[in-house]
Amino acid sequence: ETGVTQSPTHLIKTRGQQVTLRCSSQSGHNTVSWYQQALGQGPQFIFQYYREEENGRGNFPPRFSGLQFPNYSSELNVNALELDDSALYLCASSLNPGVGGEQYFGPGTRLTVT
Amino acid sequence: AQSVTQLGSHVSVSEGALVLLRCNYSSSVPPYLFWYVQYPNQGLQLLLKYTTGATLVKGINGFEAEFKKSETSFHLTKPSAHMSDAAEYFCAVTTNAGNMLTFGGGTRLMVKP
Repeated sequence: ETGVTQSPTHLIKTRGQQVTLRCSSQSGHNTVSWYQQALGQGPQFIFQYYREEENGRGNFPPRFSGLQFPNYSSELNVNALELDDSALYLCASSLNPGVGGEQYFGPGTRLTVT
Repeated sequence: AQSVTQLGSHVSVSEGALVLLRCNYSSSVPPYLFWYVQYPNQGLQLLLKYTTGATLVKGINGFEAEFKKSETSFHLTKPSAHMSDAAEYFCAVTTNAGNMLTFGGGTRLMVKP
């Protein structure tokens, strides 16, 4: 069974640019959640996708957008990058969006904005 | 709205000593509570979770936590610390609205030989 994978591992971008991060969910999982973890802080929920539809969103501006594909993999897109977007971006997959369902986290993508 | 407070951003214990990491939550509805561990340059791994039923929850690697509704707490304990326990620990909460997790700020556990 393949776990959650994310690409790329590290990324350096310039302020104002756009970035796309990718996540492959664990086999059989139809729900993907994205989190932003700034240095020294806990992860913050960005949004969740369930069966290709957005299923909830945290307190992030519209320049953070996402997609989920028929194979349940997902992308996180960030436009007009700001210095504060520098963080570890974590993807988590789960079998369903139901309460108490375990979320399996990927290793993350470290984004640095200069 | 829900929130999580982890008291103590850094905790240091000696190898073999009791580990106690504190977590208090705020939730307007019955909470579902989790503890995750994060090793350097890795993602989060679930240690244990409370959803319903028994309030004392046992997890992996000898960790356990007790849900105390009256104290709105979900503290994590381990009787005897190992060097391999050194990591960042996060408490998280979610509600009936779904499994979008709200995390605390984390506690870095250091284990001294």
